[in-house]
Amino acid sequence: GQQLNQSPQSMFIQEGEDVSMNCTSSSIFNTWLWYKQDPGEGPVLLIALYKAGELTSNGRLTAQFGITRKDSFLNISASIPSDVGIYFCGLQGAQKLVFGQGTRLTINP
Amino acid sequence: DGGITQSPKYLFRKEGQNVTLSCEQNLNHDAMYWYRQDPGQGLRLIYYSQIVNDFQKGDIAEGYSVSREKKESFPLTVTSAQKNPTAFYLCASSMGSGSYEQYFGPGTRLTVT
Repeated sequence: GQQLNQSPQSMFIQEGEDVSMNCTSSSIFNTWLWYKQDPGEGPVLLIALYKAGELTSNGRLTAQFGITRKDSFLNISASIPSDVGIYFCGLQGAQKLVFGQGTRLTINP
Repeated sequence: DGGITQSPKYLFRKEGQNVTLSCEQNLNHDAMYWYRQDPGQGLRLIYYSQIVNDFQKGDIAEGYSVSREKKESFPLTVTSAQKNPTAFYLCASSMGSGSYEQYFGPGTRLTVT
């Protein structure tokens, strides 16, 4: 099956810093999704990417679908305390999504 | 409000008992999914259903069962055969038919002692 690597596994930053995380796959895919999960809650869809090279923003969040269709990154600018949580990338497999292991973001005020 | 509901939020059971977790959606989505999440881990697919009266095993289906008798409901039963049932269970739905954007419920935390 396809392998999906998400990095880093965890990040510890100061409030106000920018954040960058990425996912890479062993195969080519047509859809990348980025989710955020708050502690004890279900993941919430942040951004969906459907075309190679696509760059999409959602407030302070920006995500890009890599040209090779094997990677994607998510940037968060000027982090704030409510950005704390786990960020997951997901890509479509056969009839289902495959999720990365998540990046746990911790912010020091 | 449209969305996915899971109940209860917290569930406690004794070892050896079956337990059924509820998942309901009013988004008119065709596809529904069940995931398991362990502390510090990602999401692992248990079962999914693309259409009413049909479902497929995911990556970790052993010890679980599902039914899909209605479009809006996809209950998950954790049976006594599941060796390590304590976990956070998440239900999701999507439009289906090639749409991969999944929307998640708030989750049920099951503790079996």
